Amino acid sequence: ELKVEQNPLFLSMQEGKNYTIYCNYSTTSDRLYWYRQDPGKSLESLFVLLSNGAVKQEGRLMASLDTKARLSTLHITAAVHDLSATYFCAASNTGNQFYFGTGTSLTVIP
Amino acid sequence: DAGITQSPRHKVTETGTPVTLRCHQTENHRYMYWYRQDPGHGLRLIHYSYGVKDTDKGEVSDGYSVSRSKTEDFLLTLESATSSQTSVYFCAISEAGKGTEAFFGQGTRLTVV
Repeated sequence: ELKVEQNPLFLSMQEGKNYTIYCNYSTTSDRLYWYRQDPGKSLESLFVLLSNGAVKQEGRLMASLDTKARLSTLHITAAVHDLSATYFCAASNTGNQFYFGTGTSLTVIP
Repeated sequence: DAGITQSPRHKVTETGTPVTLRCHQTENHRYMYWYRQDPGHGLRLIHYSYGVKDTDKGEVSDGYSVSRSKTEDFLLTLESATSSQTSVYFCAISEAGKGTEAFFGQGTRLTVV
């Protein structure tokens, strides 16, 4: 069973600042996913990372994967209020089971 | 949006009663999952299915059972609801193969009183 750990659990950042969310996982996996969840809503897929060194970017968010370190990062550049949400990383195994971290609650302050 | 419908969306039930939650998909995806979401725990896998009548346990399966008699439907049953099963339940689907992410339904908020 995959164990996925995220940190920090809570993140309060000022608009315009940069920050990184970290996601570590316990066993070999080359399938890493990032999701966003707004309060009271479902989860929305942001990124799919499938190989060592993979990097994906969308707007102010950039995700990367280092399979050797079992680490993925979600970097936020010049944060804006609209990015306030909870972000989850998940890893999957060859059995197509998805294991999630506890989430990072991001609040962007004007 | 992926065609996933959960029903009911909200339910209040009494301790000790059986409860069934339904997940219906229109995507013909092979895999279906039930998760529960609780503060401080993220999403935890309850059960999943890899085909009609093919199911397996996840991390937190005690007190839950599932059935999948058709590709499009995946039912989660709480055999005798307890207050610890108060949670938000999400259904998800995924196609087979590497790199296919899971898509989530809107969730069911269940309160056991």
